[in-house]
Amino acid sequence: SAVISQKPSRDICQRGTSLTIQCQVDSQVTMMFWYRQQPGQSLTLIATANQGSEATYESGFVIDKFPISRPNLTFSTLTVSNMSPEDSSIYLCSVGDRRTEAFFGQGTRLTVV
Amino acid sequence: DQQVKQNSPSLSVQEGRISILNCDYTNSMFDYFLWYKKYPAEGPTFLISISSIKDKNEDGRFTVFLNKSAKHLSLHIVPSQPGDSAVYFCAAKRGAQKLVFGQGTRLTINP
Repeated sequence: SAVISQKPSRDICQRGTSLTIQCQVDSQVTMMFWYRQQPGQSLTLIATANQGSEATYESGFVIDKFPISRPNLTFSTLTVSNMSPEDSSIYLCSVGDRRTEAFFGQGTRLTVV
Repeated sequence: DQQVKQNSPSLSVQEGRISILNCDYTNSMFDYFLWYKKYPAEGPTFLISISSIKDKNEDGRFTVFLNKSAKHLSLHIVPSQPGDSAVYFCAAKRGAQKLVFGQGTRLTINP
């Protein structure tokens, strides 16, 4: 199983600002994913971070709001841009291959005030 | 469209008894199913999975049952322990496509 380090673990941010979340994996992985869990809701996939190319976004999520970087096979960042209180959520990094279970980081609890 | 549903938001079970968590899905093309456990302030932790070619998979105290005709899966925990108190998510996928998660069930084990 992969060990995933995600930081920051939590943050309180002012509306209108941006926050970049980092995800570091202890081994090279093909696929990295970013999820959001809004209060009381399920985990929703934001995008798949592709190494060497643009991320693939799910319906309802756009690059301008959630820019993603994937410079190599062990690291990715997610930026939450121009934040509003509605962006208050837990953001989770995940890794997994085609038919294996996904492994998650500990999450970043974001509160926008 | 909620393709994976956990209709019970919470469940309370006495320590030592069996906990049964249920999950329904609508997409008959799903071929792999997983259960995750999540403690507060932590990411989800993989528990157990099952392929659509099986109807049961067991790992220690955890057993997952799959009923494809009913599009239903369940997670049995026996005996239940206080450390099992957490939120449990079921998830499903088709091939290499993305995981689709249910809403979660909060399990509380009472001493």
